[in-house]
Amino acid sequence: AQSVTQLDSHVSVSEGTPVLLRCNYSSSYSPSLFWYVQHPNKGLQLLLKYTSAATLVKGINGFEAEFKKSETSFHLTKPSAHMSDAAEYFCVVYDSGTYKYIFGTGTRLKVLA
Amino acid sequence: EAGVAQSPRYKIIEKRQSVAFWCNPISGHATLYWYQQILGQGPKLLIQFQNNGVVDDSQLPKDRFSAERLKGVDSTLKIQPAKLEDSAVYLCASSLISGTNTDTQYFGPGTRLTVL
Repeated sequence: AQSVTQLDSHVSVSEGTPVLLRCNYSSSYSPSLFWYVQHPNKGLQLLLKYTSAATLVKGINGFEAEFKKSETSFHLTKPSAHMSDAAEYFCVVYDSGTYKYIFGTGTRLKVLA
Repeated sequence: EAGVAQSPRYKIIEKRQSVAFWCNPISGHATLYWYQQILGQGPKLLIQFQNNGVVDDSQLPKDRFSAERLKGVDSTLKIQPAKLEDSAVYLCASSLISGTNTDTQYFGPGTRLTVL
């Protein structure tokens, strides 16, 4: 069965410093992986997705993620945090056999002024 | 293209009352998902439709929750009677099933339900 593990439930960074949100996955075949962001009282917005093309995926708002098969990781990064990045972030793996999207437990990013 | 639409955005009811949520997926998307997201938690899949058939409703509390997707387009999710623990955000999402690894799920804004 496919699964994702988000290693940190909360991350705090200062504005202007790098962001790293960690995600490990488990999959028996080449996965499709996603990062979604959820701002307070909003729905989930797609940040980026990996679908076996380039291993470094660029998303919206300056975020990017690197697929590392050897480490079964898909960590989300951003060079410089902005106050507007404060939100909940979900790592998701897609099971193409059942058309299900398997969610991680989420990482809450706090950006300090 | 238009996104996933949901209504209402907010609903407050008393326990034992009934409530219904509506979702209009992105045009052409075959698969529609309803999720329940309790405050501080990730989304939990309640039911998954492909066209107008149910693919998975294993986590739907069928004694009080029901959902339908008429004509394979719009969907409604109903709760009757509501309990306090049903207070949550109900998210609808849709996906174009292409059979490839490029399938992507898109979410609506959600309906925030408060049960008093």
